[in-house]
Amino acid sequence: DQQVKQNSPSLSVQEGRISILNCDYTNSMFDYFLWYKKYPAEGPTFLISISSIKDKNEDGRFTVFLNKSAKHLSLHIVPSQPGDSAVYFCAAKGWSSASKIIFGSGTRLSIRP
Amino acid sequence: DVKVTQSSRYLVKRTGEKVFLECVQDMDHENMFWYRQDPGLGLRLIYFSYDVKMKEKGDIPEGYSVSREKKERFSLILESASTNQTSMYLCASSPEPGGYSNQPQHFGDGTRLSIL
Repeated sequence: DQQVKQNSPSLSVQEGRISILNCDYTNSMFDYFLWYKKYPAEGPTFLISISSIKDKNEDGRFTVFLNKSAKHLSLHIVPSQPGDSAVYFCAAKGWSSASKIIFGSGTRLSIRP
Repeated sequence: DVKVTQSSRYLVKRTGEKVFLECVQDMDHENMFWYRQDPGLGLRLIYFSYDVKMKEKGDIPEGYSVSREKKERFSLILESASTNQTSMYLCASSPEPGGYSNQPQHFGDGTRLSIL
């Protein structure tokens, strides 16, 4: 049973537009959420995170929104750039889970020129 | 910059072989992790360690063991490799003791392991 779900395996967005990647979770004990970005033949790199006490966190072109009641988070990238083409993983953990992070299955984002 | 180095980028082994995957980090991080990445399944945690000689099972430990004799090095061992262990293996590390860390994990570039 997947506790962190990314239901869209792929997404194609035109350069300059907004990219929205979605993630749902089932475990109400999760209180910290992260997004990682992965290029082919490289390991994932940390992008942005959000604690459950917040509903929004922004870092440059990247914003993560958290809706605790819906158990849903999203990553917004605006404006989208060609270098944003990658696989994005949503991840979640609870404070008592001893750093055990649960990852989603990933969404492949392609930015069209 | 944190550097997590995995000893091999590509590895081909035969079923039944004992396989060692090595990972070294240079930032004195307490926590180290081994994941495998499979299409449609994301990253799944195999084992992690929050201190030297300490280890904890992740979600899919069966068929694997780990060793952490030194703080900077975390080894993943496939006791008797099988074809269903063909996968991308990723090592990661993060700071803070005790395993209760909200610091993001830093990943190596992965080892693509094929078991024939």
